[in-house]
Amino acid sequence: GAVVSQHPSWVICKSGTSVKIECRSLDFQATTMFWYRQFPKQSLMLMATSNEGSKATYEQGVEKDKFLINHASLTLSTLTVTSAHPEDSSFYICSAIGGGQSTDTQYFGPGTRLTVL
Amino acid sequence: QKEVEQNSGPLSVPEGAIASLNCTYSDRGSQSFFWYRQYSGKSPELIMSIYSNGDKEDGRFTAQLNKASQYVSLLIRDSQPSDSATYLCAVDTGRRALTFGSGTRLQVQP
Repeated sequence: GAVVSQHPSWVICKSGTSVKIECRSLDFQATTMFWYRQFPKQSLMLMATSNEGSKATYEQGVEKDKFLINHASLTLSTLTVTSAHPEDSSFYICSAIGGGQSTDTQYFGPGTRLTVL
Repeated sequence: QKEVEQNSGPLSVPEGAIASLNCTYSDRGSQSFFWYRQYSGKSPELIMSIYSNGDKEDGRFTAQLNKASQYVSLLIRDSQPSDSATYLCAVDTGRRALTFGSGTRLQVQP
């Protein structure tokens, strides 16, 4: 149980375009999902917390107009990187908690590697 | 001061030995503590969670928590080459989101 999927697993795009990343909880309802970003040889940094049906809460320094998060259902959250630039190239990872799972344990998706040319 | 600190390593141990990974955290209000393993290019996978002082054992893994010293550790017994990875210490300070350390890279030499 507690499987979280992400799509796509990798994406290459041109500078200035927008990219949407999906995060799905496959076998439980995720009341809360988190989006993290990991640059090479660095640790995961929290970008935002997403609760179903409400606006996401962004961490300090994360531009909410650039990183649009939608948690429209209990099994799906999306992250859209708008007008992507090379500095946005990173490993984006979502995690989810909720449903019958421990409310303290986050289950991570496999990640999406974004490369902006 | 970083909120969660780990030695970046690499920590190199021979196969069959005990690997000891350490982590300190700054927020005394932290309630939940986790160890994740991350292979290169992959997302983290949960190894252990610990919530109260003392030891918690699961197979070859033992997590130790000392809230007074704000210290968490992970012991890996009978280390295997497949254990070679980066080990991330993560702390929930009450926000439910996790704050991660920078990770310790473990190398198990066959």
